[in-house]
Amino acid sequence: AQSVTQLDSQVPVFEEAPVELRCNYSSSVSVYLFWYVQYPNQGLQLLLKYLSGSTLVKGINGFEAEFNKSQTSFHLRKPSVHISDTAEYFCAVSETDFNKFYFGSGTKLNVKP
Amino acid sequence: GAVVSQHPSRVICKSGTSVKIECRSLDFQATTMFWYRQFPKKSLMLMATSNEGSKATYEQGVEKDKFLINHASLTLSTLTVTSAHPEDSSFYICSARSHGAGGGLEQFFGPGTRLTVL
Repeated sequence: AQSVTQLDSQVPVFEEAPVELRCNYSSSVSVYLFWYVQYPNQGLQLLLKYLSGSTLVKGINGFEAEFNKSQTSFHLRKPSVHISDTAEYFCAVSETDFNKFYFGSGTKLNVKP
Repeated sequence: GAVVSQHPSRVICKSGTSVKIECRSLDFQATTMFWYRQFPKKSLMLMATSNEGSKATYEQGVEKDKFLINHASLTLSTLTVTSAHPEDSSFYICSARSHGAGGGLEQFFGPGTRLTVL
């Protein structure tokens, strides 16, 4: 089974500051990587995904993530955050058959004015 | 494309009653659907994998007699929480697997159902 680690349970940041949310996974085999955002009492919204190709992936709302195979990481970044980015962010890993998703424990991003 | 819906979005029920949650793939056929449970302030845990026309495969620790899953068609899977108790209160999310734009498989998530058992 896969293991996904999001080291930071909460990340406070001021508006317009850059942010990085960290994600590491355990697999030594090929995987697909995802970042989802969840607003209170809502489902998951896909931010971005890495399936293959360029290791730098751009997603919605100005977010991007970089796949680093040697470090088994897939950190999420945004150069300038907005108040509206306040939410919980989940990193997820799927093996290439998409049979199961393994989620990290989530990181709460709190953007302060 | 690739929209997954859930109904109801919220449900409140009395202890001891059963509740059915529907998961539909609106614009694609899903041979496989998944049910997740999200505990407060925690991540999503896979409960079971549902394949159309066959019995669901439950993850370790999930009571199959408690959480009945039916996948009767390629666009509909249902989760029935039987004899619900307050500890079953949670956010239940389904997902459906489909072929993506690149021809490979992708998994798409529904908006979730908030179950509150009084």
